[in-house]
Amino acid sequence: NAGVTQTPKFQVLKTGQSMTLQCAQDMNHEYMSWYRQDPGMGLRLIHYSVGAGITDQGEVPNGYNVSRSTTEDFPLRLLSAAPSQTSVYFCASSLGLAGDTQYFGPGTRLTVL
Amino acid sequence: DAKTTQPTSMDCAEGRAANLPCNHSTISGNEYVYWYRQIHSQGPQYIIHGLKNNETNEMASLIITEDRKSSTLILPHATLRDTAVYYCIVRGNNNNNDMRFGAGTRLTVKP
Repeated sequence: NAGVTQTPKFQVLKTGQSMTLQCAQDMNHEYMSWYRQDPGMGLRLIHYSVGAGITDQGEVPNGYNVSRSTTEDFPLRLLSAAPSQTSVYFCASSLGLAGDTQYFGPGTRLTVL
Repeated sequence: DAKTTQPTSMDCAEGRAANLPCNHSTISGNEYVYWYRQIHSQGPQYIIHGLKNNETNEMASLIITEDRKSSTLILPHATLRDTAVYYCIVRGNNNNNDMRFGAGTRLTVKP
């Protein structure tokens, strides 16, 4: 299994540009999440999904959209990038809820100029 | 989810046990205690979790006090590769996938 994969690893955007961060998992996990991590801080939840077709907001959802058309994929879209969205983005998946381990991807480092 | 409190940083000598404390005094009965670590800028890595009983796996041991208000992660023989930020997280079985990461403890293993 490849586990959780994320692309791209690095990205530089100009203010106002849009882009999609890709996340995929091959473990048949129902639950997937997106987090952002700012320098010196812990991870903050952006959006999550408890299954295909179901998404919900996390702690810091503004400026981001998600969709979950398949179990494997959970893309994160930045609609109009802002410098405040400069961060490292992590995708995670787990089989179930409480008691289940979350597996994290390697991260995408995004810089918005 | 209950809030956790961890020391900002700790040092440990290589080969010695590293004991990382975590306070979670507002934990409720159905909430688990999880430990993850993050090495440099990599994605967080699961270490161990527990509900009431102490737990041990190939990476670490988790000691949870009887009142469940605090716990300790034990790395029995720390190596230089264990240098990382360690996160203690309390998470319930509510219908979301939310793990609230705090700032964690930066553990430095020294030769």
